[in-house]
Amino acid sequence: NAGVTQTPKFRILKIGQSMTLQCTQDMNHNYMYWYRQDPGMGLKLIYYSVGAGITDKGEVPNGYNVSRSTTEDFPLRLELAAPSQTSVYFCASRAATSSAKNIQYFGAGTRLSVL
Amino acid sequence: AQKITQTQPGMFVQEKEAVTLDCTYDTSDQSYGLFWYKQPSSGEMIFLIYQGSYDEQNATEGRYSLNFQKARKSANLVISASQLGDSAMYFCAMSRYGSSNTGKLIFGQGTTLQVKP
Repeated sequence: NAGVTQTPKFRILKIGQSMTLQCTQDMNHNYMYWYRQDPGMGLKLIYYSVGAGITDKGEVPNGYNVSRSTTEDFPLRLELAAPSQTSVYFCASRAATSSAKNIQYFGAGTRLSVL
Repeated sequence: AQKITQTQPGMFVQEKEAVTLDCTYDTSDQSYGLFWYKQPSSGEMIFLIYQGSYDEQNATEGRYSLNFQKARKSANLVISASQLGDSAMYFCAMSRYGSSNTGKLIFGQGTTLQVKP
């Protein structure tokens, strides 16, 4: 029961570096999401995807990029890392269903520090 | 715009007692869903309970129940018979439905619950 898997779990970046946060799910979910959680705060949506090849911006997309070439994978790219991107990043997925009970399942998170 | 408000930054409860975590929401949509997630100190997000805006009954999942008052736009989480393992941060979240059902979640700021032995 892998569910949603995120790698790495922890990472320290220097200002200006780039990196890709990996997310993969094995539930054949069409919908995938990236959120960030700043200390003591709720989650905010960065980007989301409703299927392979389709992505859209969320509430806080600046400084990030995504791609969705397969149903399983939804990587998040940070270009020119800034201290403001220090956060915990969560990937989530859910099934595309007509049922209103569209529960999102979350990965364990990636804790990123930009110094 | 949708908004979730959790006004209790921190709560304490004695073990085996019940506790209510408050959540109010703001939306102009008629069709939406309300969720509660638990985040223990290990950091993962665990789904607890769901309430649809058209559900007539309050949702229940084991020791968790959702006190849904649609007219007051509140969706409070009730945990009965608290256990030490319930100590965590709890988030209320909302998603809109209908033609733009992308499932995006809007989260509140969370409530930290501490269960005392």
